[in-house]
Amino acid sequence: DQQVKQNSPSLSVQEGRISILNCDYTNSMFDYFLWYKKYPAEGPTFLISISSIKDKNEDGRFTVFLNKSAKHLSLHIVPSQPGDSAVYFCAASLQGAQKLVFGQGTRLTINP
Amino acid sequence: NAGVTQTPKFQVLKTGQSMTLQCAQDMNHNSMYWYRQDPGMGLRLIYYSASEGTTDKGEVPNGYNVSRLNKREFSLRLESAAPSQTSVYFCASSPLLAGMREQYFGPGTRLTVT
Repeated sequence: DQQVKQNSPSLSVQEGRISILNCDYTNSMFDYFLWYKKYPAEGPTFLISISSIKDKNEDGRFTVFLNKSAKHLSLHIVPSQPGDSAVYFCAASLQGAQKLVFGQGTRLTINP
Repeated sequence: NAGVTQTPKFQVLKTGQSMTLQCAQDMNHNSMYWYRQDPGMGLRLIYYSASEGTTDKGEVPNGYNVSRLNKREFSLRLESAAPSQTSVYFCASSPLLAGMREQYFGPGTRLTVT
């Protein structure tokens, strides 16, 4: 069973606009969430994280929102830039666990 | 400070051949991980090592073995490669400090089994 789901395989956004990437999870025991960015032929790189005790975390152009009641998190990128074109993975972790569970990824394309 | 390094970058094997993927980290992290990435499947955990001397199965361990050689190195072995093991393999490490569970990834090994 897929505990972390990214239902949109791809997203296309115009440069300068907001990009919103979504992620849903099924296990209410997850207490830490992360977003990773991956360019072709490279490993994923950590972008931003959020603990379940918060509902928002911001880092520059990137903001992650967590809605625990809906078991949903989203990543907002404002403004979107061409270098943001990549595959984005969300991941979740259980308290005390050493493992992450990843979603399938969403390919973001920023159009000039 | 190289972070997480993986060798080789590319490999082609014939069905039934064996090989070992090497991974090393220089960040003094306790935990290390092996993932495979397949189209539409995200990153799936094969094996992990929470600390030197321990290893545990992940989501898709069948057909693989691992060795945590020391704190720096964590290798993944395919004893008898199968076409279903064609994938991109990523190694990762994590300090697992309180409140921080970020993992840091290597550049990957692209493996093709014919």
